Amino acid sequence: RKEVEQDPGPFNVPEGATVAFNCTYSNSASQSFFWYRQDCRKEPKLLMSVYSSGNEDGRFTAQLNRASQYISLLIRDSKLSDSATYLCVVNLDRGSTLGRLYFGRGTQLTVWP
Amino acid sequence: DAGITQSPRHKVTETGTPVTLRCHQTENHRYMYWYRQDPGHGLRLIHYSYGVKDTDKGEVSDGYSVSRSKTEDFLLTLESATSSQTSVYFCAISELTSGTYEQYFGPGTRLTVT
Repeated sequence: RKEVEQDPGPFNVPEGATVAFNCTYSNSASQSFFWYRQDCRKEPKLLMSVYSSGNEDGRFTAQLNRASQYISLLIRDSKLSDSATYLCVVNLDRGSTLGRLYFGRGTQLTVWP
Repeated sequence: DAGITQSPRHKVTETGTPVTLRCHQTENHRYMYWYRQDPGHGLRLIHYSYGVKDTDKGEVSDGYSVSRSKTEDFLLTLESATSSQTSVYFCAISELTSGTYEQYFGPGTRLTVT
């Protein structure tokens, strides 16, 4: 079983739509959670860290449910520039700075005009 | 911008040859990481470093070695390249932000082993 599972998509949505991505993780000891975006043939870029209380950054909202071991990302008012692959990422290291990350395979999003 | 560069950016090599990839950072980060990314897989950790001369294995370390003789440089060596090591290799650093260690990635090296 993979440490991090994501719906691979692809998601194809019109501009202005709201889209949600889900992710589950297998290790209940996981400590830190992130969403990265990756454009074609580019490096992953941190979109946002996910905190227990949930957090919002503009049009992006991330939620964490530790009991269900579930992470979500909601994108409101989608823009063409949101087209990318979104990676769910988990850090299993308890209380450690080592930060060995486990990545999901990514969910592909295409926003069309 | 985390000040990370990788070299070379692209390389084609033959099976059996040694290959060294370089990751260079300019901001004195203590923690550095090497990942590979392949279709059908998420990024997977190869090796990481928690200081000069301090390194450890990740989940896919077989066939790879690393060295860190200076804070700013983290080298990944394929002792004898195989076709299964054709991949995109990313280096990353770790930075403490709001109580969480977040990782930032370099631009990647595309390696093809023929």
